[in-house]
Amino acid sequence: SQQGEEDPQALSIQEGENATMNCSYKTSINNLQWYRQNSGRGLVHLILIRSNEREKHSGRLRVTLDTSKKSSSLLITASRAADTASYFCATDVLNSGNTPLVFGKGTRLSVIA
Amino acid sequence: EAGVTQSPTHLIKTRGQQATLRCSPISGHTSVYWYQQALGLGLQFLLWYDEGEERNRGNFPPRFSGRQFPNYSSELNVNALELEDSALYLCASSFGQAGVWLGYTFGSGTRLTVV
Repeated sequence: SQQGEEDPQALSIQEGENATMNCSYKTSINNLQWYRQNSGRGLVHLILIRSNEREKHSGRLRVTLDTSKKSSSLLITASRAADTASYFCATDVLNSGNTPLVFGKGTRLSVIA
Repeated sequence: EAGVTQSPTHLIKTRGQQATLRCSPISGHTSVYWYQQALGLGLQFLLWYDEGEERNRGNFPPRFSGRQFPNYSSELNVNALELEDSALYLCASSFGQAGVWLGYTFGSGTRLTVV
C-alpha cells in the first residue's frame, strides 16, 4: 500500500496562478521529499523537509509539514507553463531500517498559458 | 558530471520472454534503487542494492531479480514476462543509505512494453 497519497490527482490552472498540492501519509517519518516528473521521464528532487521543520522555501516553492496531521503541502507560486508535470511526495519512514523512500501516486499539474 | 544513465530507453518484448534493464549510477554513489511505474499506480519499489548487496526488496514475485556489479552499476532482470509488466522502470542512485535523507537522483527510465 502507498505511504503517501497526493491530493488532488490532477490540477489545472492558468499561468501566473498559484498551485497547491497536498500529501498525506500514514506512519511517522524522518523527512518528506517532493519530486517532479516531466511526462514519461525520471523524477527530479525538488525539496526536502525534516520532521522537526514546519516550513521550507526554495525559489517559487514553499513546503509545509504538519506531523500532527501527517500531511504536507507543496505550493508553487506564480506558475509557468514549464511547471506542467507530475509532482510526487516521498517519505522516509521513521525506524524503518533498510526501507527506501516510499512514493505516492502523484498530482498531475497542468499550467495553461 | 554524468547523471544516472539507463539503457535501453525502450524495450519491446513478447510475453514469456526475459528482459534485462541496465543502470549506471552517478560516480561515487554506491546505492541503486529500482522502481516500477505502471500507469496510474505511482512508483512501486522493486529492489535496493548497496555495495553489491541486496538491502531490501519490494512486494514483487521472484521473477524480478537483479544484481549490482563491483563498479556499482546494476541490472534488473524480469523473467517470464507478463503483459502487466509493461511499465516505466526507473533507476535511482544515492550515497549509500544517505539517499533517504538527501534524496535520490533518478535516471530517465526504460519503457518496457510486453506484447
